[in-house]
Amino acid sequence: EAGVAQSPRYKIIEKRQSVAFWCNPISGHATLYWYQQILGQGPKLLIQFQNNGVVDDSQLPKDRFSAERLKGVDSTLKIQPAKLEDSAVYLCASSSQLGTGVPDTQYFGPGTRLTVL
Amino acid sequence: AQKITQTQPGMFVQEKEAVTLDCTYDTSDPSYGLFWYKQPSSGEMIFLIYQGSYDQQNATEGRYSLNFQKARKSANLVISASQLGDSAMYFCAMRVPGNQFYFGTGTSLTVIP
Repeated sequence: EAGVAQSPRYKIIEKRQSVAFWCNPISGHATLYWYQQILGQGPKLLIQFQNNGVVDDSQLPKDRFSAERLKGVDSTLKIQPAKLEDSAVYLCASSSQLGTGVPDTQYFGPGTRLTVL
Repeated sequence: AQKITQTQPGMFVQEKEAVTLDCTYDTSDPSYGLFWYKQPSSGEMIFLIYQGSYDQQNATEGRYSLNFQKARKSANLVISASQLGDSAMYFCAMRVPGNQFYFGTGTSLTVIP
């Protein structure tokens, strides 16, 4: 079973530029999460999708961050314009109530390391 | 309010020894799940072990076991026979109804040869 895919792995931009991250969850996983992990901290949930609907985006800075999950599969997270404090690793995870293993366990992708100069 | 607390920023353990990483949680939901993840320097979060709030027995997965004390609201991770490859950040997480997850601040484990 293929894992969660994310791209790019690394991105360096200047402040006020825009950037987009892509995530492809594990096949069949209905729930998709985007997290922001600042160095030395635990992951902070930005947005949670159930299929293509938003379940929780209470911690998403909506003035600059946006996310979508078209057709309930792939998802993109965009930052526009970026600020210095957005430098972090952006993790995508997916989970499912069905299938083998522990139900609703989150499986993470490798993350995208963003540096804003 | 939902909360996960990991009070050990860093831990050291001798190779082949056992180590316990602490985690306490707070929730008013009777149904919840507790998870431990390992994050090596490469950055990927690796699922290690799960404990459901209604599970009667402590979870075990190979060298990992979860010491679940419901009354104390603690879910400590025990790693037996530590290996050099166990050096990483370890995060405790809680899932509540609605599939919302909360993470602790992590514990950095260093295994000494």
